[in-house]
Formats: sequence, C-alpha cells, structure tokens
Amino acid sequence: QVQLVQSGAEVKKPGASVKVSCKASGYTFTDYYIHWVRQAPGQGLEWMGWINPNSGGTNYAQKFQDRVTMTRDTSISTAYMEVSGLRSDDTAVYFCARDRIELWLRTEFDPWGQGTLVTVSS
Amino acid sequence: QSALTQPASVSGSPGQSITISCTGTSSDVGGDNFVSWYQQHPGKAPKLMIYDVTNRPSGVSNRFSGSKSGDTASLTISGLQAEDEADYYCSSRRSSSTLAVFGGGTKLTVL
Repeated sequence: QVQLVQSGAEVKKPGASVKVSCKASGYTFTDYYIHWVRQAPGQGLEWMGWINPNSGGTNYAQKFQDRVTMTRDTSISTAYMEVSGLRSDDTAVYFCARDRIELWLRTEFDPWGQGTLVTVSS
Repeated sequence: QSALTQPASVSGSPGQSITISCTGTSSDVGGDNFVSWYQQHPGKAPKLMIYDVTNRPSGVSNRFSGSKSGDTASLTISGLQAEDEADYYCSSRRSSSTLAVFGGGTKLTVL
C-alpha cells in the first residue's frame, strides 16, 4: 500500500538546523508531488511548500522562503525538508503528504506521513 | 497569505447533521475546484475526506459530503457518530498559482 514514513522526533537548540526525512513506498516516487505541512502545539495546519520529486523543483510559502529547503533522493524514494535558523516558534509536528493525482499539482493531500515532532529549546 | 476562515467549533448530537463552512476569496476557494477537507483525530495525521469540492475518496463514509457556493465551501456530516468527533480542516489551492492554504480548523464535538 501507499505509505510515507517519516524520521523520528528531534530536539534542537535555537539557531540550529533540522532535516526531516519522508520515505515513500508503494508507488512510483517520481510521479507525485510531495508537500510539507506543519502544526504547532494546539494550533492548525500550515502549508509550507512542495517538491517535484522528478525534477527537484520546489515552491515555498512566502513565510518559509528564507529558511526552508526541500530536496529529494530518488535512489531511495525519500524527500527531505530542512529548516535553518530554528526559533522556539518552529516547535511543531512536521508532516509530509503526497499530492493526490500523479503528475498533477492539485494541492490535495493523500496520504500523509505520521508526523515528526521538532522541539526547539535552549 | 491569510488562512481560510472556519468556525472554531461546532457540535451536534448523535444522528443529527452538522455543516462546517470554509470562507475564502475569489483567489482561492472561489477561483477553482481544488477544495479539500481533512479529518484529524488527536495525535494522528490528517485524513483526506473530500476532494475537488464534492468527491469522497474510496473508503470514506457517504455521510460526509461537500459543496461550494461562491467563495464559501462547506462540509456536511449527516447521521453524526461518536467517531466523527475530531478537528476538520479545509484547504484550497490559490488560483493561478501552485500555492496552498488551509483553514484555521473546526473542532467538532458530538454531544
């Protein structure tokens, strides 16, 4: 079955960077866009951006353009999302999610990874 | 980029129907039909419940339905069940772009 499995929880100090992985299985990795969404504690969902696993092309929400980098390794069907210059308000669960339709950017997310908690604390 | 507007909370008794609204602008909800809805139980990842405004993925109960009028999309849940108690989020693609936006989320309580 189609599955996205993310890396484990991280604890980082302010100013550090974190890189979260999202390993895909059950489908052709390069055929579907991957999105990243975060959720701060007790808050709603916030869309961060997408990566085209085939070309490596990306597009980020304006808020994240300066500090977020999305990459992929097609040899192991894995997408990555790195946040630099971490602040306390970056503490959140970070989800990866696949776009619903192959070869089409519809921003409809299915399925989702299980989430990765990133805690930023001194 | 402003989030879409949803009520913070709604409630209903088992067997009743409820509707959650999602208001955007002509640049997102009103601009095309890439509107989707997600259910999230505490500590879990969101689950796609409705896509393309009105369509249900395979396996989602037909008690869930979606609609849209102008800049406002709606999710209706009929025959409320205890298991429907969760947070619900709408999402839309920004028209003429490849960016996405979520609503602020609505907490559904089944009384």
